[in-house]
Amino acid sequence: GQQVMQIPQYQHVQEGEDFTTYCNSSTTLSNIQWYKQRPGGHPVFLIQLVKSGEVKKQKRLTFQFGEAKKNSSLHITATQTTDVGTYFCAGPNGNKLVFGAGTILRVKS
Amino acid sequence: DADVTQTPRNRITKTGKRIMLECSQTKGHDRMYWYRQDPGLGLRLIYYSFDVKDINKGEISDGYSVSRQAQAKFSLSLESAIPNQTALYFCATSDLQGGSNTGELFFGEGSRLTVL
Repeated sequence: GQQVMQIPQYQHVQEGEDFTTYCNSSTTLSNIQWYKQRPGGHPVFLIQLVKSGEVKKQKRLTFQFGEAKKNSSLHITATQTTDVGTYFCAGPNGNKLVFGAGTILRVKS
Repeated sequence: DADVTQTPRNRITKTGKRIMLECSQTKGHDRMYWYRQDPGLGLRLIYYSFDVKDINKGEISDGYSVSRQAQAKFSLSLESAIPNQTALYFCATSDLQGGSNTGELFFGEGSRLTVL
């Protein structure tokens, strides 16, 4: 079945440093979604990318969808302590979503 | 008030007991899901339902059952709980978005279950 792999599993950065998490699918995706889960919280939708090569920005967050629609990335510029949490990518398998294992981000102030 | 409400939020039980986790939503969405979260494994789909008469197994349905009592209610049952079902359980809802066969998911606050 379809698999969504996400790396790294964990990253600890100094406040102000950049952070990137990568998502790779075993199959071509029609779209990809990104979610953020704060510690002790629940996943919250961030964005959906649909088009090949699409790039979207939300303030310090930049999301990319690969040209082949099999990979995606989330880049955070100049991390802040409010960025801590787990970031998940998710791709459709039929009419349901398959989630990556997530990347845990910790930020040292 | 939360749009997607889960009860109980925390539960400790013993091996062999029957447990029900309940989920209700006020978003008016047809699609509802139950996911399980374990450290390092992400969110894995247990069951999902696209309307009251529709129930589908996810990737890890063994040991679980569900009931869609109404559009707004979707409950998850563990008929005989075992320790490896200790996890954080999330209910979620969605509606279709244009250009996509999978809509944005709206998650409940989660139900932490511990099976001793």
